[in-house]
Amino acid sequence: DTGVSQNPRHKITKRGQNVTFRCDPISEHNRLYWYRQTLGQGPEFLTYFQNEAQLEKSRLLSDRFSAERPKGSFSTLEIQRTEQGDSAMYLCASSLEYVAGDTYGYTQYFGPGTRLTVL
Amino acid sequence: AQTVTQSQPEMSVQEAETVTLSCTYDTSESDYYLFWYKQPPSRQMILVIRQEAYKQQNATENRFSVNFQKAAKSFSLKISDSQLGDAAMYFCAYRSAKGGATNKLIFGTGTLLAVQP
Repeated sequence: DTGVSQNPRHKITKRGQNVTFRCDPISEHNRLYWYRQTLGQGPEFLTYFQNEAQLEKSRLLSDRFSAERPKGSFSTLEIQRTEQGDSAMYLCASSLEYVAGDTYGYTQYFGPGTRLTVL
Repeated sequence: AQTVTQSQPEMSVQEAETVTLSCTYDTSESDYYLFWYKQPPSRQMILVIRQEAYKQQNATENRFSVNFQKAAKSFSLKISDSQLGDAAMYFCAYRSAKGGATNKLIFGTGTLLAVQP
């Protein structure tokens, strides 16, 4: 298996601009999670998908944030009108949930993250 | 709501020695999973070890083992024969096993481990 990949790895943008990140999960993983990590903190949950359905969004995910997972494969996270407070590492993780015979399907595997800096 | 606490912001260990990282959590659930993840300076989060709450036996993975005390809600990580490559931020994480739940990971604030040659 190739691991979870994320692009771009780094993004510098000016306040007020829109940015979009992409996550490619491990092939055939049915769940995809987005987390945000600020310096010196543990990751915090933003949202997750079961196949193509977005099933939960954290209250951290303001209306400037939108995520999609068309066809249940890759996912995109868009931030509109970026603010300096959006500067963080955005992590994507995937897992294979509730598949018979997969003992460790509950385990989430992370990508390398996208570091966003808003100037 | 569940919480995870790591009370040691930084730890240091000599190469080849043993170190234990602490983690406590709070939950009212009886079925859950616990994890230790490692995040080296390159910042890719890597799974170190996992534990199912229904299992009394402590998980082990080569030089890594846990001390899982369910009643005390404690989940410490022991690293034996520490190596320079073990230097990283270590995160303890909790995940509900309840069906239909988000099953999101709830992380502690991390422990930065330094390994001295």
